[in-house]
Amino acid sequence: ETGVTQSPTHLIKTRGQQVTLRCSSQSGHNTVSWYQQALGQGPQFIFQYYREEENGRGNFPPRFSGLQFPNYSSELNVNALELDDSALYLCASRPPGGPYGYTFGSGTRLTVV
Amino acid sequence: AQKVTQAQTEISVVEKEDVTLDCVYETRDTTYYLFWYKQPPSGELVFLIRRNSFDEQNEISGRYSWNFQKSTSSFNFTITASQVVDSAVYFCALSEREYGNKLVFGAGTILRVKS
Repeated sequence: ETGVTQSPTHLIKTRGQQVTLRCSSQSGHNTVSWYQQALGQGPQFIFQYYREEENGRGNFPPRFSGLQFPNYSSELNVNALELDDSALYLCASRPPGGPYGYTFGSGTRLTVV
Repeated sequence: AQKVTQAQTEISVVEKEDVTLDCVYETRDTTYYLFWYKQPPSGELVFLIRRNSFDEQNEISGRYSWNFQKSTSSFNFTITASQVVDSAVYFCALSEREYGNKLVFGAGTILRVKS
């Protein structure tokens, strides 16, 4: 299995709802990170998971949460959606060891209305 | 503080022209890594290069070259003989070992190559 796969590709939600985004990483990539990319901006780090535990978090509120599973898949959950949560959400994974080039998925485009 | 600045918001060139994308970074760490990523319209970030802070050698890969200068905290990217397929958003990013290797991205430079 190669590459990072994200689902769904597009999603429209209503303000106040909850959403779950999914990512399937490459086999052996035990570190996964999630990034939020607002329109016209660079990606912003949300959090990172290593061996199923969160080991780094950016400046995002607790309503952004995640899970990583033993099969190299992961989830990003966002509760109480706000209009500003509209963005491209990118999942990235890398193998153990040094900061090798992260492999990114194509992202999930979330629109909150 | 970690920061990456890409001052060029958008660059337009005609095919076959050379183009340089600028990247300036700030870090207090002595061990850090710099990256360039390409983001085509499809959305995924495509890894182009990684450079660690101890290796200031310039690198060339086909039409791409990178100039890393610690003295000016810059990591510039040059595309020689640009092609229409080079049109994309290019991001420079910084990773510090102290911060769990999270990537800090610049705002990106939109490159438009016209035929």
